[in-house]
Amino acid sequence: AQSVTQLDSHVSVSEGTPVLLRCNYSSSYSPSLFWYVQHPNKGLQLLLKYTSAATLVKGINGFEAEFKKSETSFHLTKPSAHMSDAAEYFCVVRTGAGANNLFFGTGTRLTVIP
Amino acid sequence: NAGVTQTPKFQVLKTGQSMTLQCAQDMNHNSMYWYRQDPGMGLRLIYYSASEGTTDKGEVPNGYNVSRLNKREFSLRLESAAPSQTSVYFCASSEGGSGKTQYFGPGTRLLVL
Repeated sequence: AQSVTQLDSHVSVSEGTPVLLRCNYSSSYSPSLFWYVQHPNKGLQLLLKYTSAATLVKGINGFEAEFKKSETSFHLTKPSAHMSDAAEYFCVVRTGAGANNLFFGTGTRLTVIP
Repeated sequence: NAGVTQTPKFQVLKTGQSMTLQCAQDMNHNSMYWYRQDPGMGLRLIYYSASEGTTDKGEVPNGYNVSRLNKREFSLRLESAAPSQTSVYFCASSEGGSGKTQYFGPGTRLLVL
């Protein structure tokens, strides 16, 4: 069973317009959720994480995500895209204890048009 | 503070050759991980080490071996490389325990011909 689904493989926005990257998860365990960003030829960098505290999580570089249990979603948003936001974004869910319960989405490539 | 470092950055192997990917972290983390990243797929866990002296299989361990040399270093070995092992390999570390953030190295791009 797929634990995390990123609904768009590619999103394209104009500079200065809002960004929405969608992520849905499935977990019978109270999940921890993460968004990572990967710039070309770089490792993954943590943007933000949800671990059962506030449902609206603020991250670095102006990104935020809202945990919606009823919708099993953890969408990533940013009010105004910057050229430097162009990258691959991964939604990650931890469905239980242990390293084998961490699942990565397939990624969403964000393109920012000048 | 370099974080997680990996060597080499790039490698080309012929089928059947062996090699070891090196990973080191300077954050005093207990847990370390090896992932592979393939086009159109999320990262998949190969092996992990929850603490010094222990290693466990992940989702895709076949064809690989690992060594947790000490708290800092965690190596991944391909004994007889196959074209299916062409991938980008990422090492990560964390303080340990559920929910802890993982910190990733820059990756090793491996091409097996």
